[in-house]
Amino acid sequence: ETGVTQTPRHLVMGMTNKKSLKCEQHLGHNAMYWYKQSAKKPLELMFVYSLEERVENNSVPSRFSPECPNSSHLFLHLHTLQPEDSALYLCASSHTGNYGYTFGSGTRLTVV
Amino acid sequence: GNSVTQMEGPVTLSEEAFLTINCTYTATGYPSLFWYVQYPGEGLQLLLKATKADDKGSNKGFEATYRKETTSFHLEKGSVQVSDSAVYFCALARSNDYKLSFGAGTTVTVRA
Repeated sequence: ETGVTQTPRHLVMGMTNKKSLKCEQHLGHNAMYWYKQSAKKPLELMFVYSLEERVENNSVPSRFSPECPNSSHLFLHLHTLQPEDSALYLCASSHTGNYGYTFGSGTRLTVV
Repeated sequence: GNSVTQMEGPVTLSEEAFLTINCTYTATGYPSLFWYVQYPGEGLQLLLKATKADDKGSNKGFEATYRKETTSFHLEKGSVQVSDSAVYFCALARSNDYKLSFGAGTTVTVRA
């Protein structure tokens, strides 16, 4: 399988639940990213991993916890979320050179 | 710092009309420039890119020319189709930096 794959595509969770989003890439990229896309707002960069180390955390609340166990996989662990966290969560990967990103299709998260 | 400014939408056009989406940038050095497209319910896809001044990126009938003198990378298509309805994002990556800076996105709707 090629490209960037995100699972699940849709997720509905209660505010007390714990869930995880998964991202997988088979492109040989060595950088991975989590973005949040809310309606009528610009893309928000949440986390950046380069060579499996977190290199950027843009003031994201601790209820979001990323994990990058290897260069092909990226997770976003979610717990005690708020309704305003409902959004499309996008994963992307790239080489550590300015060649652009490859995005996954996203996980549409709804917090109830 | 690096930034990208693109025209605000939404833009509504009739089929076969000419489309232009303006994008200007601020960056040091010689960044690479990108246009991404996001179709409804999907993640972002790379549409085209240009890595140096006067380069023209093209794909699917879309074109954009890297103009260093005006710090611009405007997206154009001569005859749009309903299937071009999407959100379009301009982005840049500085030389020797893999992180992308995105514009706010422009929503384009093409009517039959």
